[in-house]
Amino acid sequence: NAGVTQTPKFQVLKTGQSMTLQCAQDMNHNSMYWYRQDPGMGLRLIYYSASEGTTDKGEVPNGYNVSRLNKREFSLRLESAAPSQTSVYFCASSAPGRVYSPLHFGNGTRLTVT
Amino acid sequence: AQSVTQLDSHVSVSEGTPVLLRCNYSSSYSPSLFWYVQHPNKGLQLLLKYTSAATLVKGINGFEAEFKKSETSFHLTKPSAHMSDAAEYFCVVSEQNSGTYKYIFGTGTRLKVLA
Repeated sequence: NAGVTQTPKFQVLKTGQSMTLQCAQDMNHNSMYWYRQDPGMGLRLIYYSASEGTTDKGEVPNGYNVSRLNKREFSLRLESAAPSQTSVYFCASSAPGRVYSPLHFGNGTRLTVT
Repeated sequence: AQSVTQLDSHVSVSEGTPVLLRCNYSSSYSPSLFWYVQHPNKGLQLLLKYTSAATLVKGINGFEAEFKKSETSFHLTKPSAHMSDAAEYFCVVSEQNSGTYKYIFGTGTRLKVLA
């Protein structure tokens, strides 16, 4: 089972460049999430999508946009990358409505902005 | 508002000795609680989850966690550490709000296992 698939695995950008991180899940989950992980700060929520057609800001949305393309896919876009966006990005999905539903994670994208 | 505090950022144990990773939470309602493990340069893997069926929860790789409502704690334990347990561990609380589930992460505890 593929679970949650993220692409690319690694990316280096120059300040001001743009890019889109792709995420797809094959578990028929309604909810999808984008987190960033920085040393000593745990995982912080950037954006989430409770269901197809809806997106909402999380804790640290500035500088990012998202698109819930369909039930399977949830992309994260950096329009003008900044060094502060150097981080590891994780996509996750869950099945709300089921009590105690855990998050299922992709393997992450390591982004460096120079 | 919900929050999670992992009381130790680093824990070192000798191989074969017990592991205790501490987590306290704050939640307005009955929480869902999880522990995840992240090995170096890897994604996050679910270790265990609290389902309210039992206060002592068993997970993978010999880990357990006990839910104590009176202490608002969900500490992770393992009787005997193995070298392969060296990783970062995250305590997570989830709460439903207007039909949406949000997951709040602690800042993590890095476990070091000494030979």
